[in-house]
Amino acid sequence: GNSVTQMEGPVTLSEEAFLTINCTYTATGYPSLFWYVQYPGEGLQLLLKATKADDKGSNKGFEATYRKETTSFHLEKGSVQVSDSAVYFCALDNYGQNFVFGPGTRLSVLP
Amino acid sequence: EPEVTQTPSHQVTQMGQEVILRCVPISNHLYFYWYRQILGQKVEFLVSFYNNEISEKSEIFDDQFSVERPDGSNFTLKIRSTKLEDSAMYFCASSPGSGRWQYFGPGTRLTVT
Repeated sequence: GNSVTQMEGPVTLSEEAFLTINCTYTATGYPSLFWYVQYPGEGLQLLLKATKADDKGSNKGFEATYRKETTSFHLEKGSVQVSDSAVYFCALDNYGQNFVFGPGTRLSVLP
Repeated sequence: EPEVTQTPSHQVTQMGQEVILRCVPISNHLYFYWYRQILGQKVEFLVSFYNNEISEKSEIFDDQFSVERPDGSNFTLKIRSTKLEDSAMYFCASSPGSGRWQYFGPGTRLTVT
């Protein structure tokens, strides 16, 4: 079946530090991959997506590259801000099937 | 940009009561979904709905749950007799077609006391 694995949190960084949150997936075929962000007390917001191998999704300084050879979609940001503190979910959508979410990684950015 | 909306944003109810969570999917979408997120846990699939019937449901979606599309715009999730463990954030999603991306609503936080 389809599954998504994320690095365990919480991740605590100082402002302007480099962020990497690892995500790997298991799926048949060619799923689309997503990162969602959930700010405290709010719903899911789509952060970025990629639909095929080697695609790079980017938004608000965050990037992730769809790596089929390593079945990964790691989230990166060069310089985090306090306002980036949230829970980040990696997810896949395997055409015709339902979204599968990773467990989420909580990020805390300290000033 | 069109978006999925959900009401209410927060619902508090007593154990044993019925609740109805409402969603307005994007207008030309054909597939509808409900997901649940218990506080601090992962987002879990509940049910998918297409052509006025359930197309898939998870183990969580037992007889206490039902979904309906009562008119051309709303998509509802009913919990017949709520339990404490039903307290969670419930997300609605819609998609224009099978195999297309799902667009999520902002969620309804359900608190059962």
